[in-house]
Amino acid sequence: DTGVSQDPRHKITKRGQNVTFRCDPISEHNRLYWYRQTLGQGPEFLTYFQNEAQLEKSRLLSDRFSAERPKGSFSTLEIQRTEQGDSAMYLCASSFTSGVSYEQYFGPGTRLTVT
Amino acid sequence: DAKTTQPPSMDCAEGRAANLPCNHSTISGNEYVYWYRQIHSQGPQYIIHGLKNNETNEMASLIITEDRKSSTLILPHATLRDTAVYYCIVRAFSGAGSYQLTFGKGTKLSVIP
Repeated sequence: DTGVSQDPRHKITKRGQNVTFRCDPISEHNRLYWYRQTLGQGPEFLTYFQNEAQLEKSRLLSDRFSAERPKGSFSTLEIQRTEQGDSAMYLCASSFTSGVSYEQYFGPGTRLTVT
Repeated sequence: DAKTTQPPSMDCAEGRAANLPCNHSTISGNEYVYWYRQIHSQGPQYIIHGLKNNETNEMASLIITEDRKSSTLILPHATLRDTAVYYCIVRAFSGAGSYQLTFGKGTKLSVIP
């Protein structure tokens, strides 16, 4: 399977714990994106990387959230001191920058439940 | 990015064409129309995009009005597997914010046997 993969698919954690999610993009894609989706809503943009550089962060990305893409390949999203409001699906997407338009390909997501 | 308006839900009989409308009356000249869909518990899936000409691929057709203020996604022969939430997104192809997709609530399409 050469699509975007995410790990874990499901995570249940207690309030106050730290969690880390991993995303492996499509191998030749230089851009990587993180989105968050709560029940009944469309995905909301969190941040994106071009290669290893984090170029933009949404105001939704509080200081408890940190994302990295150390070698321009896989990425991690860490949430510190989780809160119940962090419960959501966290989606990763990747794209290849070429020409004037480029499609984003999404992974299956990591569903986080904070109890 | 320009905002889009979609009906919250639609039904379509299996085997018939599904026509999903989208209004984007404030679209700018440098903005594309994208369609994604999200099947339950999966990540969004790219369907098609266009600027001003009609587009067709193996999944669907996209019809954009001449003034570009609205568009219609057409699934020519809907199957039960097409049941999903369909998102119409308008995005600039360059400049600030062009890297992100801004999703609304989409249209929940139910294909009925």
